[in-house]
Amino acid sequence: GNSVTQMEGPVTLSEEAFLTINCTYTATGYPSLFWYVQYPGEGLQLLLKATKADDKGSNKGFEATYRKETTSFHLEKGSVQVSDSAVYFCALSLKTGNQFYFGTGTSLTVIP
Amino acid sequence: GAGVSQSPSNKVTEKGKDVELRCDPISGHTALYWYRQSLGQGLEFLIYFQGNSAPDKSGLPSDRFSAERTGGSVSTLTIQRTQQEDSAVYLCASSFSGDTEAFFGQGTRLTVV
Repeated sequence: GNSVTQMEGPVTLSEEAFLTINCTYTATGYPSLFWYVQYPGEGLQLLLKATKADDKGSNKGFEATYRKETTSFHLEKGSVQVSDSAVYFCALSLKTGNQFYFGTGTSLTVIP
Repeated sequence: GAGVSQSPSNKVTEKGKDVELRCDPISGHTALYWYRQSLGQGLEFLIYFQGNSAPDKSGLPSDRFSAERTGGSVSTLTIQRTQQEDSAVYLCASSFSGDTEAFFGQGTRLTVV
């Protein structure tokens, strides 16, 4: 089947620390991969995406590389800010599929 | 509008009553999704519409839940005889096609008392 497994939270970091949130997937086809972010009190927003192996998605200082060999799509940021505090969701969709498969979400809190 | 619009934003209902939740997708998007997010939980898939194809209802948790999409645009999720465990945020999303990124609405927070 299709599924996404992501790092359990919550994660607490100091400002300017390095962030990694792990995400691995299982898919029956060749998925597109996404990271969504949910800021407090808001809806889900697309953060970045990658549609094929070795693609790197990037946005707002966040990056993730589509690794087919390890079926992973880890989210990284070199220096987090307080404003990055949010819940992050890894997700996949299939070109022949009918839904997005989401991980359980990782809550990130960045303290000054 | 520019984004996915959901209404109402909040709904409090008594146990046993029926509720209707509305979603206006982004114009031109053929795919529409409903998800449910319970407190502290991830996203639970409910139903998917793609163009004029038969919807994928495989995520609906019981026959009390139903959804329709009229004219390939607006969608309504109906919950009959609501139960307390139905309390959650119901999220709607749309995408240009079935495999491109989905854009989410702000959600409807449903509370069953």
